[in-house]
Amino acid sequence: AQTVTQSQPEMSVQEAETVTLSCTYDTSESDYYLFWYKQPPSRQMILVIRQEAYKQQNATENRFSVNFQKAAKSFSLKISDSQLGDAAMYFCAYRRYTGNQFYFGTGTSLTVIP
Amino acid sequence: EAQVTQNPRYLITVTGKKLTVTCSQNMNHEYMSWYRQDPGLGLRQIYYSMNVEVTDKGDVPEGYKVSRKEKRNFPLILESPSPNQTSLYFCASSSAGYRASSYEQYFGPGTRLTVT
Repeated sequence: AQTVTQSQPEMSVQEAETVTLSCTYDTSESDYYLFWYKQPPSRQMILVIRQEAYKQQNATENRFSVNFQKAAKSFSLKISDSQLGDAAMYFCAYRRYTGNQFYFGTGTSLTVIP
Repeated sequence: EAQVTQNPRYLITVTGKKLTVTCSQNMNHEYMSWYRQDPGLGLRQIYYSMNVEVTDKGDVPEGYKVSRKEKRNFPLILESPSPNQTSLYFCASSSAGYRASSYEQYFGPGTRLTVT
């Protein structure tokens, strides 16, 4: 089975600064999908960004971008110009290319300091 | 409004008393899943379904049952709940396209289950 590792249980960032959350995964598959989800205190799961493994270009969504290193099996999330509303738990997730199996990391709790 | 609904949102029950958590989506999605979230463990997939009458085990299926008799509904059944099933449960759905944008999972609001 695939495993997803988030080695930073907690991170903090000053408002307006940039922070990077790390994620590594273990797989023998060549095609797959990667996602970052945000979970604010409301507990709602919100998709932040997605990446297809066959695409070399890193995905970007406004202030959120990823650094996808396929050979290193690394998928980090960069949040630029951090805002108070970015404070949440962030989960990295791996989806197999076929089927509907997802594997989530253990999460990184992000605190934004005013 | 596109959404995934779960009921109940909160449930306190006793060991051994059968319960069902319902999940329904209005987006005509083929794929549906159940997850449990525990502190320090992230989300773990319990069961998933790829269409009506097609279900498969995820990482932690022990103690749970599911059924998919209709496309929109995917109930989670605990035949004999035990305290180690105390957790936050999420249902999710997505479409069966061929691009990552199709696989975006829409999550329900979660069900907080306590088994005493």
